[in-house]
Amino acid sequence: QVQLHQWGAGLLKPSETLSLTCGASGGSFTHYFWSWIRQFPGKGLEWIGEINHAGVTNYNPSLESRVTISVDMSRHQFSLNLTSLTAADTAVYYCARDLLNFASGWPFGNWGQGTLVTVSS
Amino acid sequence: EIVLTQSPGTLSLSPGEGATLSCRASQSIGSRSVAWYRQIPGQAPSLLIYDASRRATGIPDRFSGSGSGTDFTLTISRLDPEDFAVYFCHQYGSSPWTFGHGTKVEIK
Repeated sequence: QVQLHQWGAGLLKPSETLSLTCGASGGSFTHYFWSWIRQFPGKGLEWIGEINHAGVTNYNPSLESRVTISVDMSRHQFSLNLTSLTAADTAVYYCARDLLNFASGWPFGNWGQGTLVTVSS
Repeated sequence: EIVLTQSPGTLSLSPGEGATLSCRASQSIGSRSVAWYRQIPGQAPSLLIYDASRRATGIPDRFSGSGSGTDFTLTISRLDPEDFAVYFCHQYGSSPWTFGHGTKVEIK
């Protein structure tokens, strides 16, 4: 059973860049798509984007201009960078793995513990 | 993008009762690519149902999903204490993947 553990700074100022990393252990890393999802204080969920072990990415068009997702295959880790932060980016950020592999477009079978990111001056 | 509308916003029920949750899509979702998650406060969402009606590993059979096209339903036959939580539907048939805003099942 794969386990996801995520880390990164939780308090940032407007205009700064959010950086989070998620590490996977106990399961396969290859051939899956790995996503970042955020949950706003009002509880709505937004998918940010995804990457596979080969670095193929797919981003939500609403965030594409500010988002970069990268992968470190050797460490079984993937990372999120989100630039030009505003208060509207305040949310709990989750990493997640697709339920099934070899293609994008599956539900999220495994989730990280979540990181609260607060953007405030 | 596909917008998912969940109803009702809140369900007030007693343990042992059944619950029916609805998720309506703004356009037809191919291959019945709809999932349901349960979120207990303070935890990440947890997958219950995928492909509209397949139970995820370890999910008890009191949970069932149905639907196609634009209308999907999650049914909980008998509510256990841990089922009082928030439920989200999710479509993964058309990128960007999207979620509904959730239905809260609370103790009456």
